[in-house]
Amino acid sequence: EAQVTQNPRYLITVTGKKLTVTCSQNMNHEYMSWYRQDPGLGLRQIYYSMNVEVTDKGDVPEGYKVSRKEKRNFPLILESPSPNQTSLYFCASSLLAGFTDTQYFGPGTRLTVL
Amino acid sequence: DAKTTQPPSMDCAEGRAANLPCNHSTISGNEYVYWYRQIHSQGPQYIIHGLKNNETNEMASLIITEDRKSSTLILPHATLRDTAVYYCIVRVPLRGNTDKLIFGTGTRLQVFP
Repeated sequence: EAQVTQNPRYLITVTGKKLTVTCSQNMNHEYMSWYRQDPGLGLRQIYYSMNVEVTDKGDVPEGYKVSRKEKRNFPLILESPSPNQTSLYFCASSLLAGFTDTQYFGPGTRLTVL
Repeated sequence: DAKTTQPPSMDCAEGRAANLPCNHSTISGNEYVYWYRQIHSQGPQYIIHGLKNNETNEMASLIITEDRKSSTLILPHATLRDTAVYYCIVRVPLRGNTDKLIFGTGTRLQVFP
């Protein structure tokens, strides 16, 4: 089944403890992206990747890192999480990055930073 | 900096057509209109997209006005499972050949029995 998977689905952590949220897609998509969703603010893009070893900042990249060593995986890294990074996170992928390529979203990761 | 305006909420009776409007008066000639929906806190789900012409697929129809300044998503026979937040999105081109989706706050559609 074609899908985007994220792990973990739920995470409660403490300030400053490094964490990684994994994202994997099995559709051989070139484009991958991370979003965060907060009440009243909609979804905002954190980082995106056009292909392996090609990443770029989205609208809210501060406090996050990403890597794209393989086409299927696009982990989101929080080196020193803070409470303002408590949010619902979504990974998405699309075949290419063009205007007509549909983005497929993962199920989401709900992160709480205490 | 969402480029779309949608009503915050709408109701629809089960079995009736749900017509969700979207205003995108500043849309550029090469920008597509996309519709996604999000059921509860699940990942957004693609519904349909279009540029100039009306489009239809197994989920919905998209009607785009001739001047492209507004569009309407039509769910022809709404069911309770269609209760969700519906996002109208204009894809914004970035440098090179990429673009991004800018999600607004969407329309919360409530389908009632």
